[in-house]
Amino acid sequence: NAGVTQTPKFQVLKTGQSMTLQCAQDMNHEYMSWYRQDPGMGLRLIHYSVGAGITDQGEVPNGYNVSRSTTEDFPLRLLSAAPSQTSVYFCASSSFQEQLNSPLHFGNGTRLTVT
Amino acid sequence: AQKITQTQPGMFVQEKEAVTLDCTYDTSDQSYGLFWYKQPSSGEMIFLIYQGSYDEQNATEGRYSLNFQKARKSANLVISASQLGDSAMYFCAMRAPNDYKLSFGAGTTVTVRA
Repeated sequence: NAGVTQTPKFQVLKTGQSMTLQCAQDMNHEYMSWYRQDPGMGLRLIHYSVGAGITDQGEVPNGYNVSRSTTEDFPLRLLSAAPSQTSVYFCASSSFQEQLNSPLHFGNGTRLTVT
Repeated sequence: AQKITQTQPGMFVQEKEAVTLDCTYDTSDQSYGLFWYKQPSSGEMIFLIYQGSYDEQNATEGRYSLNFQKARKSANLVISASQLGDSAMYFCAMRAPNDYKLSFGAGTTVTVRA
């Protein structure tokens, strides 16, 4: 059971480059989300989706785009990388069935450095 | 938006002792869910324990228990009989009703000493 799979694990970009962080889950979860983790700030929500074709902004959406064409996949696009986007990125998913107590299942994270 | 506060950036605990990690939250909702996650140095996020705001008993999962005080809006994690493998960062998180998002605190780093 793969759970939530994120690729790549590490990435170095130059300022201005674009890239896509991939996220796939095999648990048929309706809800998927992207967080970034920075020291002393916990995890902050970037974008989320409650189903295919539906996405919405989280707390820190600027500089990022998402799409949800299938239930399984939720890629995060950096349009023009900036040093402020240096962070660890987590994809997470959960089920709607027991909404309030359904934990988020996390991928293993992507460590991104923008120089 | 919910605000989660973890006031202890780092803590040291002796092996086999218990440690309490503080978490307070701010919400006007009566129904909500509280979660704790562990992040070891390898980086993955591991779900530990859940407490519902209407649960009558404090949640327990093995050596993890939650000291839930609704009136104080606190949900402290207690790790009993600490082990070296408990050294990690711990995050408190909350979910509001009719919402799927989790809001996280800044985290507390626990170091277990032999």
